[in-house]
Formats: sequence, structure tokens, C-alpha cells
Amino acid sequence: SQQGEEDPQALSIQEGENATMNCSYKTSINNLQWYRQNSGRGLVHLILIRSNEREKHSGRLRVTLDTSKKSSSLLITASRAADTASYFCATGAAGNKLTFGGGTRVLVKP
Amino acid sequence: DAGVIQSPRHEVTEMGQEVTLRCKPISGHNSLFWYRQTMMRGLELLIYFNNNVPIDDSGMPEDRFSAKMPNASFSTLKIQPSEPRDSAVYFCASSPESERTEAFFGQGTRLTVV
Repeated sequence: SQQGEEDPQALSIQEGENATMNCSYKTSINNLQWYRQNSGRGLVHLILIRSNEREKHSGRLRVTLDTSKKSSSLLITASRAADTASYFCATGAAGNKLTFGGGTRVLVKP
Repeated sequence: DAGVIQSPRHEVTEMGQEVTLRCKPISGHNSLFWYRQTMMRGLELLIYFNNNVPIDDSGMPEDRFSAKMPNASFSTLKIQPSEPRDSAVYFCASSPESERTEAFFGQGTRLTVV
């Protein structure tokens, strides 16, 4: 079963624009992580935010976490064609259980 | 480190045959995960191990699926007998410590059961 659900399922933007995707989850978590997957490849970790944190930045990435709403958002600023990929949120729970959502497919048009 | 290594990269087998997927986690990592990815069901957690011990196998779809981790450097996922609906990409991932860090994924095994 999937813990997180991403919204939207697909996103198409122009290079230079910002991309925002959201993740909702159902149960308590220790942390929430975002991963990227290029077609046919394994997932690559982008950023981790702990349950006691509200916002985190890494380069062009900004992640927010609202534990009261059980939701998170990932913002990619100044998108590039190379950002075209699927993005997944994953919830880290007790015992290091890591469960993924359905993903958002992002297309950045040059 | 070479990262998480999975083998084979591709496997085509006939229905009813036994399939064994292999994974070598990153040295020193304590947690190992097996995931299955399909278009219909997304990325499903099948089973994960902490310190070679299976912690949660509730995602294993049927008794036809079994996973072992005989030591810290090797794990297998076995399907016996295989069925066409098992066709998917199977990923192995490892994580260095509990509850605080990211998972590192292998490149996956694309399984096709005909």
C-alpha cells in the first residue's frame, strides 16, 4: 500500500518556471523524503525533512512539511530541461520503514 | 563504493519458472529494502530488513514470494512459481542507519514473465 499521494500526477512547464508538487500522507512519520527517478533508472534521493522541521532548502529545491495537515510540498525553482523526471515523496516511519507515493511526472520544455 | 548492485538487470522467464533476484547493498548499511514498480501500482514496498532481520514483509503479495538476507552483504528475492502479473521492475535499496537517512537505490531488475 502507498503511504503518500502526490498531486498533481503530471506537470508540464517551460524552462525557467517554478514547479510545485504536493504530497499527502496518512500516518505518523519520523521524516519525509523526496526522490527523483529518470526514465528506466533507480531513484535518487533529493532531500530529507524531519518531522520537527517545517522547511528545508537544498540548491534550487525547497521542501515544506506540515505535520498537522500531513502534507509536504516540493518546489523546484528556475526549472531546467534536465529536471524532467518523476518525483516521489517517501515517508520514513518507525523502524526505518520507507514507503513511497505514486509520483509526479514533470516535463520541463526547453 | 559502487553503490547498490542488483543482478540480473533484465530477466525474461516463462510462467511457472523460479526467478531469483539478487542484491548487494552498500557496505556498512544496516537497512535493506525490496520494492516493486509497475505502472498500475506504482512503487510498492515488498519487504525490508534491519541488520539482516526481516522487519516487515506485509507487502509481499503472495506466498510465491520470499526474501532472504543471509548476511550483511547479500539479499535475494525469489518468486516461485512466477506468473505474468509478476512482470515489473524490482528495486533493491539500502540505508546506512535507522530512521534518519536516505535510501540508496540500485538500478533495478526488469522482470518479464511470459
